[in-house]
Formats: sequence, C-alpha cells, structure tokens
Amino acid sequence: GQQVMQIPQYQHVQEGEDFTTYCNSSTTLSNIQWYKQRPGGHPVFLIQLVKSGEVKKQKRLTFQFGEAKKNSSLHITATQTTDVGTYFCAAQAFNAGNNRKLIWGLGTSLAVNP
Amino acid sequence: DSGVTQTPKHLITATGQRVTLRCSPRSGDLSVYWYQQSLDQGLQFLIQYYNGEERAKGNILERFSAQQFPDLHSELNLSSLELGDSALYFCASSVGGRGSTDTQYFGPGTRLTVL
Repeated sequence: GQQVMQIPQYQHVQEGEDFTTYCNSSTTLSNIQWYKQRPGGHPVFLIQLVKSGEVKKQKRLTFQFGEAKKNSSLHITATQTTDVGTYFCAAQAFNAGNNRKLIWGLGTSLAVNP
Repeated sequence: DSGVTQTPKHLITATGQRVTLRCSPRSGDLSVYWYQQSLDQGLQFLIQYYNGEERAKGNILERFSAQQFPDLHSELNLSSLELGDSALYFCASSVGGRGSTDTQYFGPGTRLTVL
C-alpha cells in the first residue's frame, strides 16, 4: 500500500541547535499535514501544506512542501526544551478518489539537551 | 483541550476479554477516527466514520469493530484480547466535509493494558 517514509526516527540535539525531519513519498501527494505529540500527550495539529513548493512558518518552525509534492520537511531553528516530542507527517495521496484517509509517517522523536 | 473526550482513560483487562472504548467528538464534527499507538510505533489508523457511516478502513483486525451513533459519539469494541493489543488508543474528530482533508483533533487516549 501507499507509504510515507519519515526520517530520522530519532534525533537528539543540544538546546540551540537546529532540527529537521523529512517525509518522503513515492507517489504524488494531494496535501500533507504535520502534527506534534508531546511525551504522554496526544497528537496536535501544526499545519497543512497544499501547494507545490509551499513554505509556511510558525515562529521557529518552517514547513516546506516539495515542488513535485512528493516530500515535505519540518525545520526547527534554535531548538528549545519545549520542542521535545514526536513529530508526525500525515499525507493524502493525489487522486485518492473516495479513499480520503491520511497516511501517517512513523514520526521523528526529538530529544533536546538543556 | 481539543474538545474530544475519551473514556476510560485507563483500562486493564485479561487476555480473551472484550472491552469497549468510547469517544465523543468535538461539537459540530461529523467524522470520528480511531488509531492504535503501540510503544515505539507510530499511529496506526484503524477506521473512520462519517455521520454514522463507515468512511475509510485501515489496519483494523477482524476482532475489532466500531460504530458511530446518531448522536455522533463512537465506540471501538475490542474482543478476544491478546497481549499484543496493549496500546494507546486515540480517537480523533474532524468536520468531515467532502472534498477536503480535515484537520484532526485528537482526544487524550485510552491506555489499554492486557495481562
């Protein structure tokens, strides 16, 4: 079935360092969403990207959707301890027809050393 | 607080038993989704209901079933439980309109432990 590969699986950084997680698909995506799950918490919606080459920013977070709409990235500048958690991408494949379910990546777990 | 409620918060039961997890979506949301999250694993989509009808199916076992009631709350039934069914079960809801991929709002989850 359709898959979305998310890398890396884990990332450990020093506070102040940058962090990037990537989502890749072999098929063209209609759109992609990013969620964050804090330890012990539930996934919380961050953003949705729809257009080819789209770039959106939320404070220190930058989200990109590839030109071919097959990959996406989330970049955090100058990480803080509050960024700790697991970041998931969730994508809907193009021409999904009536099957509108999201395909979830396995997530990237970010640990930040103070 | 996402506005999605799930009960119970914790559930401990034995192998072979049957349990029911309950979810109330956000006010106005018509879609309900169920997910399973095991240790060190991502979110496994189980099933989606929209306005009472099954909309999409994921990796849901035959021992599991779900339904959405007229008041839009949903229940996930897990039967003949096995040790491997121990996991965090999330419910999410969305507006669920056709032609869009909606933002999903997750509940706090039910942690199921099968002994």
